[in-house]
Amino acid sequence: DTGVSQDPRHKITKRGQNVTFRCDPISEHNRLYWYRQTLGQGPEFLTYFQNEAQLEKSRLLSDRFSAERPKGSFSTLEIQRTEQGDSAMYLCASSLEAGQETQYFGPGTRLLVL
Amino acid sequence: AQTVTQSQPEMSVQEAETVTLSCTYDTSESDYYLFWYKQPPSRQMILVIRQEAYKQQNATENRFSVNFQKAAKSFSLKISDSQLGDAAMYFCAYRPNDYKLSFGAGTTVTVRA
Repeated sequence: DTGVSQDPRHKITKRGQNVTFRCDPISEHNRLYWYRQTLGQGPEFLTYFQNEAQLEKSRLLSDRFSAERPKGSFSTLEIQRTEQGDSAMYLCASSLEAGQETQYFGPGTRLLVL
Repeated sequence: AQTVTQSQPEMSVQEAETVTLSCTYDTSESDYYLFWYKQPPSRQMILVIRQEAYKQQNATENRFSVNFQKAAKSFSLKISDSQLGDAAMYFCAYRPNDYKLSFGAGTTVTVRA
């Protein structure tokens, strides 16, 4: 399967703990995006990378959130000192830099903060 | 700021019938892309159809077609010959040249057998 993959698929944590999610994009895609989706809503943009460079961050991404894409391949999203309001589905997507530029989504990581 | 509005939280359709989902968006850009994504329950989001704003011809993909009205900033999705597998949440999304997708709140489609 050459689609976007995310790990873990589910994460339950206690408030105040740190969590890290991983995203592996489609291999030839050099753009990678993170979105957050709360129940019953559409996804909201968090940040995106072109290769290893983080080009934009949403105001939704507080100081407790950090994302990296060190070698321009996989990406990690870390949330420090989790809060109950962080409970959501975290989606990763990837696209080619040029051409059709359609974003293809992974299955998401569902986070529950107790 | 760009906003995407889906005014129908839920739609129900009889199997083999046609259903149309509405979407409007707000933008001052002239060059952009529009998408419909499908998200089945507990499954990942998949692309249904896309439309480039510079193209006047409406996009079609098998049983799925759009009615793109650029001046009215309207982008509706028509599902023809509905099948049970079409049941899902459908999201309309707008993408300007900065590559960020802005999504509507979604429309839940139920297909009655």
